Order: sequence, then structure tokens, then C-alpha cells
Amino acid sequence: DTAVSQTPKYLVTQMGNDKSIKCEQNLGHDTMYWYKQDSKKFLKIMFSYNNKELIINETVPNRFSPKSPDKAHLNLHINSLELGDSAVYFCASSPQRGVSTDTQYFGPGTRLTVL
Amino acid sequence: SQQGEEDPQALSIQEGENATMNCSYKTSINNLQWYRQNSGRGLVHLILIRSNEREKHSGRLRVTLDTSKKSSSLLITASRAADTASYFCATVNTGGFKTIFGAGTRLFVKA
Repeated sequence: DTAVSQTPKYLVTQMGNDKSIKCEQNLGHDTMYWYKQDSKKFLKIMFSYNNKELIINETVPNRFSPKSPDKAHLNLHINSLELGDSAVYFCASSPQRGVSTDTQYFGPGTRLTVL
Repeated sequence: SQQGEEDPQALSIQEGENATMNCSYKTSINNLQWYRQNSGRGLVHLILIRSNEREKHSGRLRVTLDTSKKSSSLLITASRAADTASYFCATVNTGGFKTIFGAGTRLFVKA
């Protein structure tokens, strides 16, 4: 039983296209995250939602738009893809908002390649 | 500069040896966590140490925290080839809830 799942696992697309990545967690967690991991393995927070409410919005181009239809899902839509968007995108979830000891559970990642 | 910086960036050891990775951070923290990432996979939580703790053990893992030096170390004893992975420290600032990850140490354990 997959706890945090993402689709697709691989995404190859042309510059300028629009694409979406989907994330679902079946852990009953309140908080979900999107991270970007670049080629040097730096992992940077992009967004965080708590029970469908946006609580963290880092300095991310507005071409990136997260959407949380319910607390078990957090999707990421990217408009006008650029070469620099190539990275691995991870979804994660944790039980509660604002609990600093919460463990985060990560999805398997989506490797996005923009040509 | 980045909160949670690990060193070394890469470490190669023989099976059975101990592996030590270090993490430094810059601000006051609530806690520090270590995660492991196998190649092509997501991160998996290993251990959490609170700011008022100095040492914690979990199986072959030993974590220390020195808040005066703003540093932590992760020791893996009697390493195995299956320990080959990248290891990340992650911190949550005092009063905050955003987790910040370091760049990771890539550990390679040779059989």
C-alpha cells in the first residue's frame, strides 16, 4: 500500500508546454508539500498546504500553481515550462501543521525533463 | 548560505567500517532530523533529535547534537552495502515549522 504516490514518475516535454504532476497520500495527514530537487541534490521547499489551505509559498515563479482539491491530494501545475524547471519534484506529507517534530513522508518523485 | 550543510559531500568506505557524516546549521532550531534517500527514490526519515537532547540511538545509527556549535553528526556503525544512499539533515527553526534540508552526503559502501 503506497503511502504517498505521485504520477507520473517520468515526464519529458518541450519548452513552453504546460504540465501537471499529481500527488495523493492515504495516511490521513493534514499537511502536504512540494519540493524541488535539482541536479546537485539540493532539496528546496516550494509549497505547503494544510487541509487545503496554502501555508508556505516560497519564492517560486507564478508559472507554478499548486492545487489541493482535498487534504489527501496536492497537485502541481506548471505553465510555460523552461529548461531550468528540469528537476525531480517530490511530494511529501506530515500529520499536522506547525508540529515541528512531525516526520515527513515522501513520494517516489517525478523526474521532469524539459527539452 | 544554506541551513543544514552536510560534510563530507561524498564518502566511500568498505563494508563493516563506520561512517560519520556531519551537519552544520546557522540558526536556533527546535529539532534536527536525518533522512536517507536511495537512488531514484524519495527521502525516508531515520531519526529526530530535539534541541534539548545531546545524543540519540536507533539500531546502528547514533546521532549527536551540539547546539553550542550548531552541528550534528550521524554515525552508522558496521556499515552494509545496503546503506549506500544519500543522507540529509533537516532542521526546523525555533518558532517555525518549515523544514530546511541540507545538500546531503552521498555514502557509498563497498562490499
